[in-house]
Amino acid sequence: AQKITQTQPGMFVQEKEAVTLDCTYDTSDPSYGLFWYKQPSSGEMIFLIYQGSYDQQNATEGRYSLNFQKARKSANLVISASQLGDSAMYFCAMRRDLFTGGGNKLTFGTGTQLKVEL
Amino acid sequence: EAQVTQNPRYLITVTGKKLTVTCSQNMNHEYMSWYRQDPGLGLRQIYYSMNVEVTDKGDVPEGYKVSRKEKRNFPLILESPSPNQTSLYFCASSFSGTNNEQFFGPGTRLTVL
Repeated sequence: AQKITQTQPGMFVQEKEAVTLDCTYDTSDPSYGLFWYKQPSSGEMIFLIYQGSYDQQNATEGRYSLNFQKARKSANLVISASQLGDSAMYFCAMRRDLFTGGGNKLTFGTGTQLKVEL
Repeated sequence: EAQVTQNPRYLITVTGKKLTVTCSQNMNHEYMSWYRQDPGLGLRQIYYSMNVEVTDKGDVPEGYKVSRKEKRNFPLILESPSPNQTSLYFCASSFSGTNNEQFFGPGTRLTVL
């Protein structure tokens, strides 16, 4: 079974500093996708970044980068130059391959609440 | 505008009163899914649909039903709601495939008294 572990329930970071949110996963599938979503206090789910299991390079999207270490089964999110608007809940998720069964499902971690301070 | 819509956004009901939460997407996605979010548990999948008339159970399907008669719509039905179904519900859609992000609706906050 697929499992996502986010061990940091809450984190604080000062504005303009970088922060790393941890995510480890467990799967025996050869092919999978890793996603990070942001959920601000307003409740919507916002897609941030994607990393494929066969991608050689770490994904980057603006101030977001994904530190993918396949052998360690980790997919940490790095936010550079934190802003007050980055305060939110962050979820790591893994999507199974369509052809390995399980309905192409997205499995979520329990989330990390990030607070950016002045 | 490409979007997933859910209605209602907020609902307070009583135990046993059947209700339906609607979900619609305008992106021609074949894959649709329902999740519930509870504090400390993240999001858990209730049901999903790979295409019209193709649905299957997720991790927490008890007490829920779904149907997929049209590609754009994927309603969630609670035949006899109970207080343990009080939760925040999200509908999501995407193209099938590992690398496709799921687009989420705005969420429906349900309270069952």
